[in-house]
Parts: sequence; C-alpha cells; structure tokens
Amino acid sequence: GAVVSQHPSRVICKSGTSVKIECRSLDFQATTMFWYRQFPKQSLMLMATSNEGSKATYEQGVEKDKFLINHASLTLSTLTVTSAHPEDSSFYICSARGDRGQSTQETQYFGPGTRLLVL
Amino acid sequence: GQNIDQPTEMTATEGAIVQINCTYQTSGFNGLFWYQQHAGEAPTFLSYNVLDGLEEKGRFSSFLSRSKGYSYLLLKELQMKDSASYLCAGMDSNYQLIWGAGTKLIIKP
Repeated sequence: GAVVSQHPSRVICKSGTSVKIECRSLDFQATTMFWYRQFPKQSLMLMATSNEGSKATYEQGVEKDKFLINHASLTLSTLTVTSAHPEDSSFYICSARGDRGQSTQETQYFGPGTRLLVL
Repeated sequence: GQNIDQPTEMTATEGAIVQINCTYQTSGFNGLFWYQQHAGEAPTFLSYNVLDGLEEKGRFSSFLSRSKGYSYLLLKELQMKDSASYLCAGMDSNYQLIWGAGTKLIIKP
C-alpha cells in the first residue's frame, strides 16, 4: 500500500515558537496533500488542501498566516505552525492523494501524525 | 448541505459479526470511503466503493447503495484488535472528502 511519512512524530515547544511538520509520500507522487487536526475524542478537521506548486486552500476559520503550508514537490508538503500557543496543541495529520495508476487513485493515505504540545 | 451520519458507538463480542451503517448526503458523489483509526493513531484506509454492491476484503466487507445514500462496513470474526473508531467519508463532486464523526467500536471478550 501507499506509504506516507510524517516528521516529527511528537514535538514539545514553548509558547511563541514556530514548529515545522514535514509530510512525505514515499512510494508515489502526491498531486494533492491534506492537513488535518484532531483534538482528543473529536473527529478529523480538515485544515487545508494543497496542490503541488500552488497555494494551499484553507478551510473556513483556519488562519493561513498562522498555519503556513508549502507543497514544494510531488512528494513533500510542510506545515509550519507559527507563534504557537497552548491552544494549538493537537494531533496534526497529513494525507496524500495521487495518481498511482490504480483504481483507488482518489484514496487519501495518511501519515502517522504529529502530536504537538505547546507549553 | 453535506452530511455524513454514523452511530457514535457500538459494542460487539469477540468472534461475532458487526455492521456499521453510514448514510451520506454530498454535493455530487465520487465514492464512499471507510477508514479505521485506533486511539492515538492516524486513520488507515480500509475500503472504497463507487459502484453499488458489496466489496469483500478478507474479514471486512463494504456495501454501497447510491440510490439510498447508504453504506455499511461489515466486520466478521471480530478480534480484540478491531476495537477502534471507524470513519465513513463521502467524496463530493470536487473530490473532497466529507467526514463522519466516526463510530467507536468496542469489542468485548
């Protein structure tokens, strides 16, 4: 199956600092990548959708200046949480979708997630 | 509006069969996905249905009825490791996934 990696898996930082999370598709080219956030015992919340080489499309209520997304290549997207605050503490998960030449080309494959704790 | 409905929680016994239902309303339709999510982990892909009927994959099967806006995930020979949340997601005309809140499945010995 498709493999998506995320780094780091866990990060603890001080309030006011910026944190960068990387998402990589390891065995396919991801034309589209998605960034989700999930608070404990709540459902997935889509933050933004990014296509390689273009600006990300942010969901309503998500601050684009706070959550910077760069999808520089077909295998890498990054999410930078700028000036992080304790309320940004959450589980951030990326997913990737691309033409893998199979019938499930519309399938999103998830990275393992990044647990962010802002002190 | 777009909406995905699925039960919040279900309980089943090890070795038994359980069916998790999902009804959907999307703007256009490009398929129905099921994902499994264990506590503290990211979702993993289980199945994708775009045509009516039953798709079987080992112990798991997924069914779709487009006319009824309905799908179910059937889990057979339940094992303790199947305890997880099961997420139903419909894909709309823009190829965006509309997520359900998930069904927490509790397996008892």
